[in-house]
Amino acid sequence: QSALTQPPSASGSPGQSVTISCTGTNSDIGTYNYVSWYQQPPGKAPKLMIYEDRKRPSGVPDRFSGSKSGNTASLTVSGLQAEDEADYYCMSYADNNNLLFGGGTKLTVL
Amino acid sequence: QVQLQESGPGLVKPSETLSLTCTVSGDSITNRDTFFWSWIRQSPGKGLEWVANIYYTGTSYYNPSLKSRVTISVDTSKNQFSLTLTSVTATDTAVYFCATYSGSRRNFDYWGQGSLVTVSS
Repeated sequence: QSALTQPPSASGSPGQSVTISCTGTNSDIGTYNYVSWYQQPPGKAPKLMIYEDRKRPSGVPDRFSGSKSGNTASLTVSGLQAEDEADYYCMSYADNNNLLFGGGTKLTVL
Repeated sequence: QVQLQESGPGLVKPSETLSLTCTVSGDSITNRDTFFWSWIRQSPGKGLEWVANIYYTGTSYYNPSLKSRVTISVDTSKNQFSLTLTSVTATDTAVYFCATYSGSRRNFDYWGQGSLVTVSS
């Protein structure tokens, strides 16, 4: 199975909202409610931001939200802050116990 | 809170075997009844790639694209789990992260800081 498809970059000004998409297939995103999103600052390990499509772990600001429609999942960051600048990766559970990551999106806060 | 620390050689020659160990602290590797123990890698400047998961009982799952070369194992007496990757090439150069994987929520929770492994002669 191929990796999930994300736009390579996204940007927004402080206070604005930005949405990052993640497109898969009926073998992953379209069938299972197990999309997760990870934030990775440069040189650091990823951090879980969203799980099970739209749930937030404790400690993650409610400015971060997840959604899904068909084979496409989305991460929305509202009220952008400078500290949100990082790479963001989606991941989905897939057929046969496979796990697929997206290629990553570099979020720039202008 | 669970903490993870990768260890192993930073340089491996082409065609040889890469071996990494992840030491778990803050809890017993057998206490987390829904946790799997995982390896994920990230090639320089590239995205994340899942490598393998293992449950403390030994049940394991592999990325199909790497399955023929990868073995994941667990040592409950040392609270560690390990990765071996055979016949490495330059494309296996990456930062290797160990992490916990929730079998119920299907996501990675805790991550190690990562260990850079370079494949070069």
